[in-house]
Amino acid sequence: KAGVTQTPRYLIKTRGQQVTLSCSPISGHRSVSWYQQTPGQGLQFLFEYFSETQRNKGNFPGRFSGRQFSNSRSEMNVSTLELGDSALYLCASSLDGTGNGYTFGSGTRLTVV
Amino acid sequence: QQQVKQSPQSLIVQKGGISIINCAYENTAFDYFPWYQQFPGKGPALLIAIRPDVSEKKEGRFTISFNKSAKQFSLHIMDSQPGDSATYFCAARPSNSGYALNFGKGTSLLVTP
Repeated sequence: KAGVTQTPRYLIKTRGQQVTLSCSPISGHRSVSWYQQTPGQGLQFLFEYFSETQRNKGNFPGRFSGRQFSNSRSEMNVSTLELGDSALYLCASSLDGTGNGYTFGSGTRLTVV
Repeated sequence: QQQVKQSPQSLIVQKGGISIINCAYENTAFDYFPWYQQFPGKGPALLIAIRPDVSEKKEGRFTISFNKSAKQFSLHIMDSQPGDSATYFCAARPSNSGYALNFGKGTSLLVTP
């Protein structure tokens, strides 16, 4: 059974650019959640999608957005990148998005220069 | 505001020893408490989880102890092995505001041979 696939694994962007990260959940999982991981703040919740609908959103600025497609694949977008956006972005899939049974991908390491 | 406080930040234990990581929370609406293990270059993986109606849960060498009145829970790793060297995160899920996990900031565990 394939795990959660995140692409790309590494990304370097310049301040002011935008970036799109992709997540393919485990087959059959309808919920995808995104987390930002930094050494200072740890893991922080960005948003959660279930059946193409955003059900929950964390305390991040509007520059962070996401979407989910009919096949449950999800993308997150960050516009007008800032140096502080450098982080590991993790995607977690689950059957129902209730917070238990999360399976995380290996993440996308974003570096903003 | 960090809703789940984790300590210690780092821990060194000899092989065969007991590793103990502690977490404390304030929100009494939390109803699910998982622990995750993360190796370098990988996403967090669910290790063990507990609900507040249970005071202890054991799976192999890993045990969660839960003290509802003190709002504290801890992870005990018995007979610690070098392969257990990783970063451990505690988390808590609110029952009343979506299902996003609130994570502690992590404990870096090193088990020496």
